[in-house]
Amino acid sequence: QVQLQESGPGLVKPSETLSLTCTVSGASISTYYWSWIRQPPGKGLECIGYIYDSGSTNYNPSLKSRVTISVDTSKNQFSLRLSSVTAADTAVYYCARHGPGYGFDYWGQGTLVTVSS
Amino acid sequence: QSALTQPPSASGSPGQSVTISCTGTSSDVGGYNYVSWYQQHPGKAPKLMIYEVTKRPSGVPDRFSGSKSGNTASLTVSGLQAEDEADYYCSSYAGSNNFPYVFGTGTEVTVL
Repeated sequence: QVQLQESGPGLVKPSETLSLTCTVSGASISTYYWSWIRQPPGKGLECIGYIYDSGSTNYNPSLKSRVTISVDTSKNQFSLRLSSVTAADTAVYYCARHGPGYGFDYWGQGTLVTVSS
Repeated sequence: QSALTQPPSASGSPGQSVTISCTGTSSDVGGYNYVSWYQQHPGKAPKLMIYEVTKRPSGVPDRFSGSKSGNTASLTVSGLQAEDEADYYCSSYAGSNNFPYVFGTGTEVTVL
């Protein structure tokens, strides 16, 4: 049974860096593609970027200058760093696995990150 | 890269059918048979309901079906049940020359 669990601070100050980790169980992180997806309160979903092949990445152009996604294969985890955050980055952040047909078949429960001083 | 367009809301009575549209362009929905649909209940993570336009993951009831015509994909929920009340999002592959994932704007389905 594949499970994903996000972890990290729920409150980040403006201009600082948001850091989250996704711990994966039931699947090897080296085998699949893995994404970070966010959802501002009351709004839709946005794919931030993804990592694959134990380190290759692809980022949404709208966030590319501020995003870093990395992987720790020894811990079966992947991480998100988003720099220079503003209130507009307040959202529920999900990690997800890429499944068949470019769909996302397994999701973490999500973690709310609020950007506020 | 713009979000795919969905109607904000849709509704139906128990037992009826509701169809949600998802309109994109020839660069995403119209260009590939890689449209997915997600169901999201309040406070919960999205759940994959349809992938590759028409395919259902194991465990998804066959009341959920997908289709596509041109640049518009559709999700139909037949035999509406109370537990189908949720937000629904479409997503499409947008090609390797662009960031390949784009989501729809979301549709709130109400069971009357």
